[in-house]
Amino acid sequence: DQQVKQNSPSLSVQEGRISILNCDYTNSMFDYFLWYKKYPAEGPTFLISISSIKDKNEDGRFTVFLNKSAKHLSLHIVPSQPGDSAVYFCAARTMEYGNKLVFGAGTILRVKS
Amino acid sequence: NAGVTQTPKFRVLKTGQSMTLLCAQDMNHEYMYWYRQDPGMGLRLIHYSVGEGTTAKGEVPDGYNVSRLKKQNFLLGLESAAPSQTSVYFCASSRGQGVREPQHFGDGTRLSIL
Repeated sequence: DQQVKQNSPSLSVQEGRISILNCDYTNSMFDYFLWYKKYPAEGPTFLISISSIKDKNEDGRFTVFLNKSAKHLSLHIVPSQPGDSAVYFCAARTMEYGNKLVFGAGTILRVKS
Repeated sequence: NAGVTQTPKFRVLKTGQSMTLLCAQDMNHEYMYWYRQDPGMGLRLIHYSVGEGTTAKGEVPDGYNVSRLKKQNFLLGLESAAPSQTSVYFCASSRGQGVREPQHFGDGTRLSIL
């Protein structure tokens, strides 16, 4: 039973436009949500996060929105750049000891120039 | 600045063989993790450690063992490899339990079991 779901396996966007990546979760006990970015042959790198007590967090071109009632979060990238082409993983932190994360399956983003 | 280093990067094993994957971090992090990534499934936690000398089971621990004898190293062992363990393995570390402590990942080990 996947607790974190990324229902879009891939997304293609034109350079300069907005990229919106979506993530749904089922466990209301998650207290923190993170987005990781992964290039081929490299490990995931932390991108941006949001606490469950907030509904928006912004860092430069990246903004994460959280809708707790819908158990949904999204990552907006504006403007999209070719270097943003990567796999994006949504992750949620459990309240259990150990700072453990539950990951979604990932979305492949392709930004076309 | 090395961060999290995994060795080896690639390995091919025959069914029934054993091997150990090494993870080393130079950030003095307390917590360390082993994940596996399979197509369409994201990263799944195998085992983790909250400090030197401690280990705990994650979501998919069967067929694996781990040890954390030194704070900077976290070893993942396969005693008798099976084809179902063909995967990409990622090690990660984090400073601790705080909400602003993201996990830092190594570049992965691609393991094939024939």
